[in-house]
Amino acid sequence: GQSLEQPSEVTAVEGAIVQINCTYQTSGFYGLSWYQQHDGGAPTFLSYNALDGLEETGRFSSFLSRSDSYGYLLLQELQMKDSASYFCAVALGGGYQKVTFGIGTKLQVIP
Amino acid sequence: EPEVTQTPSHQVTQMGQEVILRCVPISNHLYFYWYRQILGQKVEFLVSFYNNEISEKSEIFDDQFSVERPDGSNFTLKIRSTKLEDSAMYFCASWAQNTEAFFGQGTRLTVV
Repeated sequence: GQSLEQPSEVTAVEGAIVQINCTYQTSGFYGLSWYQQHDGGAPTFLSYNALDGLEETGRFSSFLSRSDSYGYLLLQELQMKDSASYFCAVALGGGYQKVTFGIGTKLQVIP
Repeated sequence: EPEVTQTPSHQVTQMGQEVILRCVPISNHLYFYWYRQILGQKVEFLVSFYNNEISEKSEIFDDQFSVERPDGSNFTLKIRSTKLEDSAMYFCASWAQNTEAFFGQGTRLTVV
């Protein structure tokens, strides 16, 4: 089976940097994605890592270490609107067969 | 910007009734998924659909569930005999041949 672990809650101050970690145990790993979900909304795609290293997209960066089965999402210059749940998700098989989500990390940004 | 649309946004049904949740994926996408999210919990994979057939399904997707692409544009999830524990938000998602999934806004199903 597959399992993903991420912290359930994180609180950070506006303007700061926060890192949300994700560890996974899967077979047939293809890549690690991150999604953001505001309360009552749909998940929206943030980033994807298939190879080791850091991917940067504006204020958000995502990192993957395949050998450690570990990744993280880094959010810089936090804004109040970043308060949301963040899910890591592993893509398995050919990448399109099945995507399994972690439990989500609820990020609260405080003034 | 293309988007995945789901209808209805909210469905209330009595236990034991059949419900059909509808999704219109992005037109040139090839892979379609249903997920559900029980209130306050994680997003759970139900089923993936490619080339007009199920490519994978989870243990949640039992005989009470079925999916169809009846007319080449709509993608439906049917629950034959709803149970109280089926109450959840159901999300449809579609992929092209890249790594980004586009999610619809979801259908909130309430079984009473």
